[in-house]
Amino acid sequence: GENVEQHPSTLSVQEGDSAVIKCTYSDSASNYFPWYKQELGKGPQLIIDIRSNVGEKKDQRIAVTLNKTAKHFSLHITETQPEDSAVYFCAASKGDSWGKLQFGAGTQVVVTP
Amino acid sequence: SAVISQKPSRDICQRGTSLTIQCQVDSQVTMMFWYRQQPGQSLTLIATANQGSEATYESGFVIDKFPISRPNLTFSTLTVSNMSPEDSSIYLCSVDISSRGSNEQFFGPGTRLTVL
Repeated sequence: GENVEQHPSTLSVQEGDSAVIKCTYSDSASNYFPWYKQELGKGPQLIIDIRSNVGEKKDQRIAVTLNKTAKHFSLHITETQPEDSAVYFCAASKGDSWGKLQFGAGTQVVVTP
Repeated sequence: SAVISQKPSRDICQRGTSLTIQCQVDSQVTMMFWYRQQPGQSLTLIATANQGSEATYESGFVIDKFPISRPNLTFSTLTVSNMSPEDSSIYLCSVDISSRGSNEQFFGPGTRLTVL
C-alpha cells in the first residue's frame, strides 16, 4: 500500500520567514495530494491540494509543488505569521481508492514573533 | 465545503464499556469516512461508511470492535466497543465533497475519547 513520509517533524521559524515541509510517497498511482492544518483541539483543515496533472499551485502565502517523477511534494508558506503555528499533515490518495487518504506523520510548525 | 459536527466532542469512559459517536453533515454526501488519531500521532483510516450497506474496514480494524452505521446521506455513527485504554484517541469523521469539478475531503472537529 501507499506510504507517505513527511519531514521535518518539527520546524521553528521567525515571523516573516518562509517554511517548507516535504513529503515523499511510494505508490506511483497516487494522484491527489492535499495538505491539512490542525490547530490544537480542532479537526484537520484542508488548506491546499494538488493533483497529478499540475506541478505547482498557489493560494496567497501558501504554495504546493509536486514532482511526480521523484514522487515528492512540498508545502511552502511565505511571510509566516504566528497564526501559522500548527501541525501540518500531507496526504496522498489514488483514483481507485478515492477518499482513502494516507497521511504523513505531521510537522509541528512554530512561528516565533 | 461542508459543515460537519460530531457528538460528543469529548468523553471519559470506563474500560469495558462502549461509546457511540455521531457525525452529522449539513448536505448530502456520497462518501463518509472514520479516522483515528492517537495522541500526538497522525490520522489512520478506520473505515468507509457506505450508505445502505456494510462499512468497508481497513486492515487492522474490524466490525465487531468498530461497528458503523450510515442510515442516510447526512449522518453516520461509529461505536467503539469494549473499550480499553489503548482506544484513547481522537475519532474524526470526514466527507468527500465535489467542488469545482474535483473532490475534496473535509473533517469534523473530532471526538476526544479517554478510556480509564
